[in-house]
Amino acid sequence: DAKTTQPNSMESNEEEPVHLPCNHSTISGTDYIHWYRQLPSQGPEYVIHGLTSNVNNRMASLAIAEDRKSSTLILHRATLRDAAVYYCILRAVGGSQGNLIFGKGTKLSVKP
Amino acid sequence: SAVISQKPSRDICQRGTSLTIQCQVDSQVTMMFWYRQQPGQSLTLIATANQGSEATYESGFVIDKFPISRPNLTFSTLTVSNMSPEDSSIYLCSVDLRQGGEQYFGPGTRLTVT
Repeated sequence: DAKTTQPNSMESNEEEPVHLPCNHSTISGTDYIHWYRQLPSQGPEYVIHGLTSNVNNRMASLAIAEDRKSSTLILHRATLRDAAVYYCILRAVGGSQGNLIFGKGTKLSVKP
Repeated sequence: SAVISQKPSRDICQRGTSLTIQCQVDSQVTMMFWYRQQPGQSLTLIATANQGSEATYESGFVIDKFPISRPNLTFSTLTVSNMSPEDSSIYLCSVDLRQGGEQYFGPGTRLTVT
C-alpha cells in the first residue's frame, strides 16, 4: 500500500464544516482511498472510501482530486462527537493482502 | 456491517505469563486481522489469520511470541506469550466483509504488563 501524508492536527468549531486533507502522490490506479477514524478509547471506525468519483454517505463526503494525488474528507457540520484521529489509507483492490496500513493520522479537535 | 467483540476488554498481567485474547464476529468472514496499538501510537498489523491456514505474520512479529488460532469463520484468538512491560498495548482484531471493502474493528483489549 502506498503512503499518505496528513496534517498532525486540526481544530474546528462545533457545527461548522471541516475539511481534512490527505496527500497520496504515489497512488496507483488500483488503490482505493479509505478513511477511518478512532474515537478515544475505541477501535477504528470506517468512515468512507472511494476510487475516482466523489462519494457521500451519512457520515461524511469524500472529494477526490482529478489526478487522484490528493483527497479531502468533509464533515459537513462538526459535532463534539467527531473529535477523533482521522486516518487516510490507500488500499489496493484485489490484492492478496487485505490489511490496512495506518499512518499517524490527523487529530481533530472540536471546540464548542 | 459486522459486530465484533473481544475478551477480555482489559487485563493486568505479570511479566513472564501469557494472555489469550478472543475475537468473535457475528458473521462468517474469511480474513481476520490482529493489530497492536502501543501507547500514543498508531495501529501496527501483527498478523493476518485466514481460516484453514497458518497465520501470516508481519515483519517484527513471530509465531512463538504471538500464536494465533482460527478454528472457524467467526472466531480467532491471539496469545501474547512470555509477556514483558514492552507488550503493554491495546490489541485489536478486525475483519473484512469483502475484499478491498471497509474493515470493521473490535473494541480492543487493553493489556498492561507489570
